[in-house]
Amino acid sequence: GESVGLHLPTLSVQEGDNSIINCAYSNSASDYFIWYKQESGKGPQFIIDIRSNMDKRQGQRVTVLLNKTVKHLSLQIAATQPGDSAVYFCAENRLSGGSNYKLTFGKGTLLTVNP
Amino acid sequence: SAVISQKPSRDICQRGTSLTIQCQVDSQVTMMFWYRQQPGQSLTLIATANQGSEATYESGFVIDKFPISRPNLTFSTLTVSNMSPEDSSIYLCSVEGALAGGRISTDTQYFGPGTRLTVL
Repeated sequence: GESVGLHLPTLSVQEGDNSIINCAYSNSASDYFIWYKQESGKGPQFIIDIRSNMDKRQGQRVTVLLNKTVKHLSLQIAATQPGDSAVYFCAENRLSGGSNYKLTFGKGTLLTVNP
Repeated sequence: SAVISQKPSRDICQRGTSLTIQCQVDSQVTMMFWYRQQPGQSLTLIATANQGSEATYESGFVIDKFPISRPNLTFSTLTVSNMSPEDSSIYLCSVEGALAGGRISTDTQYFGPGTRLTVL
């Protein structure tokens, strides 16, 4: 869901469970979406991407689902591990001023994996 | 993906001073960007660093406050000028479009490790 100020949405799961992190985007013209993982003290790390002509894409232990009708994106992590604990950001690539594309980031979700 | 480094990794500065942050990539890239991430917040694009020409700034960011250089396809700098405590943030560079054998890769952006700036 949305967050206000410094309060990130949080998700707490048990090790081995599946995690689902959700993201709503605003621009129906966005055609490319990316999920990033940011661990404490590090830069965002690319996880998986999806283009608007797809509704599902799978990677290693991760799946991204795109629902263009309701402008919703989700990241599913299978068999969540303690190393998955991080803040997860969705980002949409949208046209901004002429022919330039710009990444716009969501507010982020803090995932905590309990051993 | 490209390997991206930033210097310094962190710094503590006095108000009124300026700090220049460097971003180095291990391969030539078409696009380089600078972002700011305030504590507990998401990433906000400051500007696109254009090689051989002036950077393109986003709304709310100006060249006098955040001058940017990009002398070649592997290097860029961001200066935070006349700093105040409100400038305390993580500053991140990202790259897109690595050139490899003449074939431009996808439009995914890859990020450096960030520079954590504290202004007293």
